[in-house]
Amino acid sequence: AQKVTQAQTEISVVEKEDVTLDCVYETRDTTYYLFWYKQPPSGELVFLIRRNSFDEQNEISGRYSWNFQKSTSSFNFTITASQVVDSAVYFCAPPSTKTSYDKVIFGPGTSLSVIP
Amino acid sequence: EAGVAQSPRYKIIEKRQSVAFWCNPISGHATLYWYQQILGQGPKLLIQFQNNGVVDDSQLPKDRFSAERLKGVDSTLKIQPAKLEDSAVYLCASSQWDSTDTQYFGPGTRLTVL
Repeated sequence: AQKVTQAQTEISVVEKEDVTLDCVYETRDTTYYLFWYKQPPSGELVFLIRRNSFDEQNEISGRYSWNFQKSTSSFNFTITASQVVDSAVYFCAPPSTKTSYDKVIFGPGTSLSVIP
Repeated sequence: EAGVAQSPRYKIIEKRQSVAFWCNPISGHATLYWYQQILGQGPKLLIQFQNNGVVDDSQLPKDRFSAERLKGVDSTLKIQPAKLEDSAVYLCASSQWDSTDTQYFGPGTRLTVL
């Protein structure tokens, strides 16, 4: 099965601090897609990023950035100058492929609390 | 563009009763997913449809859960009979073609089984 490990279950930071959420994944496929989702207290999962395994360039979107290291199977997410609205549970989704319909096993995610 | 719609938003039932949830995906999306999310855990995929065919239902407890997606659009998920451990949020998501595409999630249905 495709799976991910988010070692940090809970993180607390003070507003305006930078914070990095770690994600390590497992897959036997060479072509796959990775995703991050955010789940605020309202409960709805919100898409943040989709990354193809062939594209190892880092991505920046406003205060959000992602560091993809295929050699270490990691896809880490950094929030710069965190804000209270960033408080949420963040999920790194298991790798998806076009040919593999293995069980999709989300982990418990990382719960981020940004303290004003 | 309208998002994924789900109803009801909340449901409280007693154990051994039946319940059904409805999902309307984003227009044109071929793949529809039902997830179960127990408090404090990540979403667990119950069933994945592509158009009106089942792609994966390996984690669906088939003795009590059933799902259908008639005409490849709307979907219903049914639990009959419900157990206490079925208390969870049931999330519906859709993606344009398959699971390599971005999934867009609905607001979920919070089920409480007493």
